[in-house]
Amino acid sequence: DAGVIQSPRHEVTEMGQEVTLRCKPISGHDYLFWYRQTMMRGLELLIYFNNNVPIDDSGMPEDRFSAKMPNASFSTLKIQPSEPRDSAVYFCASSFEGEGSYEQYFGPGTRLTVT
Amino acid sequence: AQKVTQAQTEISVVEKEDVTLDCVYETRDTTYYLFWYKQPPSGELVFLIRRNSFDEQNEISGRYSWNFQKSTSSFNFTITASQVVDSAVYFCALSDHAYLTQGGSEKLVFGKGTKLTVNP
Repeated sequence: DAGVIQSPRHEVTEMGQEVTLRCKPISGHDYLFWYRQTMMRGLELLIYFNNNVPIDDSGMPEDRFSAKMPNASFSTLKIQPSEPRDSAVYFCASSFEGEGSYEQYFGPGTRLTVT
Repeated sequence: AQKVTQAQTEISVVEKEDVTLDCVYETRDTTYYLFWYKQPPSGELVFLIRRNSFDEQNEISGRYSWNFQKSTSSFNFTITASQVVDSAVYFCALSDHAYLTQGGSEKLVFGKGTKLTVNP
């Protein structure tokens, strides 16, 4: 079975541009998480969904960030407008509510550079 | 508030040495989960272990072992006979109690990670 798929793997954009990161969770998983990793702040949870519904978005840095999950197999994280301080690796992870199974499976990440 | 501290920023060892990565956590909850993840140079995060707060038995998986001690709020990770392929950043994480009642997945709080370099 394919793991969590993220695209693009690398994104370089100029400040002020809109950036859209994409994630396809593992089939059958009902939780989806978006994380951001930077040297300064480490790994931070931005938002997570359960059955396509956003449960907690308290980690979203500001209104420039938005996330959607239109169906069980797709989610997007959008930054508009982007700023240099948004440069980071963005991870998507998924998991399912099963007996004894709380492991979050991470995607390979998207490395975003905003110049 | 939940907090995870990995005091060792970087560790360097020579192959075949044993190495222990420390993890200290803070929580007010009696029910919680602890995790270790590995992030090799390729960048992906790989799940290693999950432990719930009611199970203090140590666990061994091959060359990996984990020591959970509630009395000291620690969940340390030991690699025996380290190998070059063990070189990675290792993260300890703690579940957020607020989401345990929902079952299934938990919101994770990660430590800053320990970068382990195993030299040949």
